[in-house]
Amino acid sequence: AQSVTQPDIHITVSEGASLELRCNYSYGATPYLFWYVQSPGQGLQLLLKYFSGDTLVQGIKGFEAEFKRSQSSFNLRKPSVHWSDAAEYFCAVGAGRGFKTIFGAGTRLFVKA
Amino acid sequence: DAGVIQSPRHEVTEMGQEVTLRCKPISGHNSLFWYRQTMMRGLELLIYFNNNVPIDDSGMPEDRFSAKMPNASFSTLKIQPSEPRDSAVYFCASSLDSSTDTQYFGPGTRLTVL
Repeated sequence: AQSVTQPDIHITVSEGASLELRCNYSYGATPYLFWYVQSPGQGLQLLLKYFSGDTLVQGIKGFEAEFKRSQSSFNLRKPSVHWSDAAEYFCAVGAGRGFKTIFGAGTRLFVKA
Repeated sequence: DAGVIQSPRHEVTEMGQEVTLRCKPISGHNSLFWYRQTMMRGLELLIYFNNNVPIDDSGMPEDRFSAKMPNASFSTLKIQPSEPRDSAVYFCASSLDSSTDTQYFGPGTRLTVL
């Protein structure tokens, strides 16, 4: 069965600094991978997804993620964080059609001025 | 185009009462999901419908919870009787076809059971 781990419960970065949020997955084949963001009081919104092809995926709001099969990772990055990026970020893994997508526990991002 | 619509946005009820949460998915989407989010347990998938048919209800906590999707544009999640431990934010999401398509989440219903 597939699973996903986000090792960091919360991270604090300074505005303008770079960001990397970690995600590790467990699945036997090439998974479907997602990053979602949840702002306070709102539902989740897709940032980016990976199914196949180029392992560096560009998303909305200046985010990108890199799929590394050898490390079973799909880390989310942003070169310069803005105060509005403060939110909770969820990594998710899907096994394919007919199988449910599993969400990680989330990483809460705090941005300090 | 309207996104996923959930009602009510907030619900406060007393233990033992019946609670019904409602969801209207995005038009043309064939898959619908109900999630529960709490601080302790995070985001949990309760049930997943495809073409109005329940595909996976293994996340439904117990018999007090039931979900229906009578047509492609409406779903309900019912808790009867409700208990304080059911207090959570309940999200509905829809996707174009399967669970591996992008899921579009509604704003959630915050349920408080006293």
